[in-house]
Amino acid sequence: AQTVTQSQPEMSVQEAETVTLSCTYDTSENNYYLFWYKQPPSRQMILVIRQEAYKQQNATENRFSVNFQKAAKSFSLKISDSQLGDTAMYFCAFMKRSNSNSGYALNFGKGTSLLVTP
Amino acid sequence: ETGVTQSPTHLIKTRGQQVTLRCSSQSGHNTVSWYQQALGQGPQFIFQYYREEENGRGNFPPRFSGLQFPNYSSELNVNALELDDSALYLCASSLAGAFLAMNTEAFFGQGTRLTVV
Repeated sequence: AQTVTQSQPEMSVQEAETVTLSCTYDTSENNYYLFWYKQPPSRQMILVIRQEAYKQQNATENRFSVNFQKAAKSFSLKISDSQLGDTAMYFCAFMKRSNSNSGYALNFGKGTSLLVTP
Repeated sequence: ETGVTQSPTHLIKTRGQQVTLRCSSQSGHNTVSWYQQALGQGPQFIFQYYREEENGRGNFPPRFSGLQFPNYSSELNVNALELDDSALYLCASSLAGAFLAMNTEAFFGQGTRLTVV
């Protein structure tokens, strides 16, 4: 079974500070993609960053970066210089097939609620 | 804004009724996936449509069914509603080649909040 675990239900950080959200996953695949999605109060899921398992270099997107540890099956998200607009639910996700003849769909963790305070 | 629109935004139904939710995918996207997000949980994959055919299904009973139309818009139908069907239903569209690849970005709508009483 392929599962995604986010062990931090809630986190808080002050504006301009750095915060790290953790995610672990379980898979028997060798190549795969991992994603972090953000869901603000508007409810719309927005892609923050993605990482291909074959790439050793950690992905970065402006203030967002990941620490991908393939052997440990760990995929944490670091947000630098936190802004009030970063307040949202953050979901770690893994692409998986429902069966061998199907396309891929996202398998999400339970999420981490991040609050950025002034 | 992602260009994916869902209707209605909110809906209240009675247990046992049937409901239809709609999704208009981003222009040019040929793949639509539906997810159920219960309160306090991550989204759970319901099913996916690629070029009007079901292309994968999660662990949901047959009373959850769908359609994709030639313009790639989609419907999610739920029969015999149960209280546990109360959730946010999210639609995501993507552009796929042969089928949705593992690195394809999904663009989500704002969801339909369904309440079953």
